[in-house]
Amino acid sequence: AQKVTQAQTEISVVEKEDVTLDCVYETRDTTYYLFWYKQPPSGELVFLIRRNSFDEQNEISGRYSWNFQKSTSSFNFTITASQVVDSAVYFCALTSGTYKYIFGTGTRLKVLA
Amino acid sequence: GAVVSQHPSRVICKSGTSVKIECRSLDFQATTMFWYRQFPKQSLMLMATSNEGSKATYEQGVEKDKFLINHASLTLSTLTVTSAHPEDSSFYICSASTSWGEQFFGPGTRLTVL
Repeated sequence: AQKVTQAQTEISVVEKEDVTLDCVYETRDTTYYLFWYKQPPSGELVFLIRRNSFDEQNEISGRYSWNFQKSTSSFNFTITASQVVDSAVYFCALTSGTYKYIFGTGTRLKVLA
Repeated sequence: GAVVSQHPSRVICKSGTSVKIECRSLDFQATTMFWYRQFPKQSLMLMATSNEGSKATYEQGVEKDKFLINHASLTLSTLTVTSAHPEDSSFYICSASTSWGEQFFGPGTRLTVL
């Protein structure tokens, strides 16, 4: 069975701090995709990144970076120098084969001014 | 990137009425669309998979007679919540899938049943 675990329910940081959101996944498939989405209070899901199982290179996009480790089945997301606008719920998701997305329970990030 | 719209964005209705939510892929054809429900402070839960021209596949525990899904074209899927009750109040999100399986999400519809 496939599963995505986001153990951190809620994180609060002070502006300019770095914060890492954890994501651990389970799948028996060798080909799969991992995603991160941001959901601000408006509710709309904002796509952040997609990573396939064959690409373990870490990625950096501005203040965002992702660390994909197949050995530990983790796909962690780091925000550097957090800002108040980063406050949102962040979801990690997994898909393979059936094209169904399995979402984690989400991590609510609060960045305090 | 691909754009998916939902209409309406927000709806308030009386208990017992039916509500239809539309999901459109604006710039690509989607043979498969998905419908999710999200209760406050919870994750997205897949309700059903909708394939163009065929019956939807519902996830376990989702009542197909209550949540009617129609996918009449490659760009439009509709979800009708029949005889809505307050417990159906939720945030409903659709997604449209490309031929390679990537989903693009709509902005969501917030349903409040009084």
